[in-house]
Amino acid sequence: GAVVSQHPSRVICKSGTSVKIECRSLDFQATTMFWYRQFPKKSLMLMATSNEGSKATYEQGVEKDKFLINHASLTLSTLTVTSAHPEDSSFYICSADSPDSENTEAFFGQGTRLTVV
Amino acid sequence: LAKTTQPISMDSYEGQEVNITCSHNNIATNDYITWYQQFPSQGPRFIIQGYKTKVTNEVASLFIPADRKSSTLSLPRVSLSDTAVYYCLVGVLSGGYNKLIFGAGTRLAVHP
Repeated sequence: GAVVSQHPSRVICKSGTSVKIECRSLDFQATTMFWYRQFPKKSLMLMATSNEGSKATYEQGVEKDKFLINHASLTLSTLTVTSAHPEDSSFYICSADSPDSENTEAFFGQGTRLTVV
Repeated sequence: LAKTTQPISMDSYEGQEVNITCSHNNIATNDYITWYQQFPSQGPRFIIQGYKTKVTNEVASLFIPADRKSSTLSLPRVSLSDTAVYYCLVGVLSGGYNKLIFGAGTRLAVHP
């Protein structure tokens, strides 16, 4: 199946700094990617839909100026957590749809564990 | 997007068959039913997808009754490595992409 890769898998940053997380579709093009956040023992929460060449669509309650999304190419979307605070510590996961238009399977990255100290 | 309801947790033993049922009373005509598996600190992994009746692949079976208001994921002869969270999702390609909204999932623990 298609492969989605995230980088880094784990990052620790200081409060007030910004962190960039990359999500790449390795063997297919993804015009749309999704970003999720997951707290311990909780389910995935959809943050935003990343659209190649246009602005991201954010879910209600997600600050677009806090979580900057850039989908500059058909294989790369980035999520930047700006001015990070300890409460931003979480597991961030991206996904992309199958390149097969007849298939509704989504492929997920391995996730990025962000710890803000 | 239809809301789904699953048991919060289940326990089983190695070698047993596990059936996880999901309720989706408000499923729409065009909605598919998809199950994902997630291990700790990993992204979810696709298990199986269906629209009606029964679907089987190399890892699981999915049973969907005629009214489609529920579905049952069946894992044959589970092993310790099947300990994970299982999510049932109902949705459809919307605007050309698949927007997935996750419910709470079912935390399956397989014991020796």
